[in-house]
Parts: sequence; C-alpha cells; structure tokens
Amino acid sequence: EPEVTQTPSHQVTQMGQEVILRCVPISNHLYFYWYRQILGQKVEFLVSFYNNEISEKSEIFDDQFSVERPDGSNFTLKIRSTKLEDSAMYFCASALTGQGRSPLHFGNGTRLTVT
Amino acid sequence: DQQVKQNSPSLSVQEGRISILNCDYTNSMFDYFLWYKKYPAEGPTFLISISSIKDKNEDGRFTVFLNKSAKHLSLHIVPSQPGDSAVYFCAARERGSNYKLTFGKGTLLTVNP
Repeated sequence: EPEVTQTPSHQVTQMGQEVILRCVPISNHLYFYWYRQILGQKVEFLVSFYNNEISEKSEIFDDQFSVERPDGSNFTLKIRSTKLEDSAMYFCASALTGQGRSPLHFGNGTRLTVT
Repeated sequence: DQQVKQNSPSLSVQEGRISILNCDYTNSMFDYFLWYKKYPAEGPTFLISISSIKDKNEDGRFTVFLNKSAKHLSLHIVPSQPGDSAVYFCAARERGSNYKLTFGKGTLLTVNP
C-alpha cells in the first residue's frame, strides 16, 4: 500500500539553526499537510498546502516556518531559526482530495530535538 | 482550548470483548470526525470516519456512532484483538476546512489475551 515517507526519522539541531524536514507524499495525492506533536501533548495542525500554495495555517505557523514543494514528489517544512520549544514530532500527511472525501494519510514522523 | 476531549487516558479490555472509546467535542462547526490509531514510533493510521449528516458508520470490526445533540462520538471495536492495542485519537474537522483537524489527547487501549 502506498505510504507517506519522511526523512530523517530523527534530527538533532542547535537552537538558532535552520532545519528542513522532508516528506514524500503519496504520489497521486494533491493536498499536503504538516502536523506536530510536542511530547505529552495533542497532535496539532500546522499548515495545509494545495496547488502550490498554503491554503490554511495555524497560529503556530509563524514567519519562522515555511513549506515548499520543490519538485513533483517532495514536500518540505523549513524552520528558519529553531527554538527549544520547536522540539516535537513532526508529521507530514497527504490526501487525494480535500473536504474529507478521502482519508488523510500520515507519515511516521520526524523527531526534532533542539538543544 | 479543549475542543475535542477524550476523557479516558487508558482502557483495558479482554480479547474478544467489545472496546468502546469515547470522544466529546464543543465546537458546533465540526462537521466531520475521524478516528486514528497510533503505534509507538509510527504516524497515526486512519481507521474510520463519519460525517455529521450520519449517526453511524461501520467498517468491519469498527463502528463509529455520532450523537450530535450530545456532541459525543464513540468508536466500538468488536471483537477486540491484541493487535488493536494502540493509542486511539479522535479528530474533528471544521466545516469549510480541508484537513485542518483538531485532535483529542488520545486513549491508550490495551487488549489482553
């Protein structure tokens, strides 16, 4: 069964450094998302991306964050200058359609540790 | 901000019996609800969903019930199997949104052989 793949599985970085988290969504999917889960807390929505632009974003997704689909297969999340509180599990997800007409599929996540 | 609440952090059930996981929500704008299962070191896996125009949806051993007046939904797993042991998340989507989901904190289900 096709799946969403994320790399790396674990990323350690120093505060103030830039990180790029990478995702390969399911190949025929059109809607792409990033979520995160801080340890012990809920899974939280960050951003949705469709037709090469952001369609929705949360308050968490401030100017330090950006997303890009640089080619036909990858979908990336960049954090420009990491803070300690950015430490979390980051999940990429994709769906064939929006509006809930097809399931949202998640990758296995990238654990980001900011020291 | 607890728009989606799963009040039971854990549930333990015997193999073969029914597991019932509960979820409450407060936002009247939610119109689509999903259940995800999550194993350690993996991402959430979609299980079953229900639109607010329905009150029940069934898929094999999994049934989701929605009570809109009570703003309550539940996931029934019958019969429960040891492989069902995982964290179960309830999630809800606001009308007009795509998959901007609001998640509950999850319930750890343990199915004992």
